[in-house]
Amino acid sequence: NAGVTQTPKFQVLKTGQSMTLQCAQDMNHEYMSWYRQDPGMGLRLIHYSVGAGITDQGEVPNGYNVSRSTTEDFPLRLLSAAPSQTSVYFCASSARDISGNTIYFGEGSWLTVV
Amino acid sequence: GENVEQHPSTLSVQEGDSAVIKCTYSDSASNYFPWYKQELGKRPQLIIDIRSNVGEKKDQRIAVTLNKTAKHFSLHITETQPEDSAVYFCAASRASGTYKYIFGTGTRLKVLA
Repeated sequence: NAGVTQTPKFQVLKTGQSMTLQCAQDMNHEYMSWYRQDPGMGLRLIHYSVGAGITDQGEVPNGYNVSRSTTEDFPLRLLSAAPSQTSVYFCASSARDISGNTIYFGEGSWLTVV
Repeated sequence: GENVEQHPSTLSVQEGDSAVIKCTYSDSASNYFPWYKQELGKRPQLIIDIRSNVGEKKDQRIAVTLNKTAKHFSLHITETQPEDSAVYFCAASRASGTYKYIFGTGTRLKVLA
């Protein structure tokens, strides 16, 4: 059971380039999300999805796109990379439970935009 | 929008002492409050959680308390050890509707030997 898998782990981009961070989970979780982590800023929600075909914006969605064509996959696209997008990105998933459920994180992707 | 405030941002304690981290949330519909520990270069890992129908939960040296009226919840670590040194995050979530998890800004805990 791999849990939440993110790729790549490290990436350097030039300003203006585009790229996709991949995220896959094998726990059949309905809920998936992307966070970015910057020093002193905690984990900020970029986009999230409550099921295949359904996505919504979080706190900091500008410059990012997502799609959810399957339950397992939730890729994050950087449309035109900017230095302000240098960060650590975490994908996360959880099951939907009316009483609240644990969110599981991937190992993180370290992105540097130069 | 919803937000979670977390204090303090850094905390240093002597080994064996207790540590307390406090969070306040804004969304009154939040009903699930997990705490995560993140070691350097690693992913956040769940250490304890509490649901809105419970006021306190304990797991060995770790306890969490919740005051729904005041929209406060706190993490208590007793008999701290050097391996407790890490960044701790609180979060608040609605377990219905949007299912969004909103995290606090983190507390860097240093346990001094």
